[in-house]
Amino acid sequence: KAGVTQTPRYLIKTRGQQVTLSCSPISGHRSVSWYQQTPGQGLQFLFEYFSETQRNKGNFPGRFSGRQFSNSRSEMNVSTLELGDSALYLCASSLAVSGYGYTFGSGTRLTVV
Amino acid sequence: QKEVEQDPGPLSVPEGAIVSLNCTYSNSAFQYFMWYRQYSRKGPELLMYTYSSGNKEDGRFTAQVDKSSKYISLFIRDSQPSDSATYLCAMDTGTASKLTFGTGTRLQVTL
Repeated sequence: KAGVTQTPRYLIKTRGQQVTLSCSPISGHRSVSWYQQTPGQGLQFLFEYFSETQRNKGNFPGRFSGRQFSNSRSEMNVSTLELGDSALYLCASSLAVSGYGYTFGSGTRLTVV
Repeated sequence: QKEVEQDPGPLSVPEGAIVSLNCTYSNSAFQYFMWYRQYSRKGPELLMYTYSSGNKEDGRFTAQVDKSSKYISLFIRDSQPSDSATYLCAMDTGTASKLTFGTGTRLQVTL
């Protein structure tokens, strides 16, 4: 069974640019969450989508946004990139009900220069 | 103060040792408790999942949850070099659709 697929794996962007990251969840999983991982802050929750609706959002500025498509695939977008946005961005998928274990992808490593 | 506290380590043990990893938390609404293992340049991998208080065993791994003390543990028996990774505890209220993570403990199992 295929796992959570994130593309691209690595990305280098310039400050001020915008970036879009993609996530394909496990087949049958309708919940997709996004997390930012940095050495200083660890894993921090960005947002969660279920059936194309954002159910929860973390404490990040409005430059971070996301969406989910009808096939459960999700994208997240970061506009006006800052150096501090350099991080590993992880996508996780889960069954519909909150409280089940989440399966993570390998992440997209974003470097902002 | 963070909602979930975890000693970052690093923790270095010889092969075959019993490893104890721990997290404390402050939010009494947490009902679901997970342990993830993360290898370098990989995403976290779900190891153990527990609902409410109690113990759960899976092979060499045992997870314990003590909700009265707001304390969770992961024990690894007969540790192997392949267990060398960062171990993250994570918690979920069951209503917020999000996980709250500890900072992770880096474990090194030496030959």
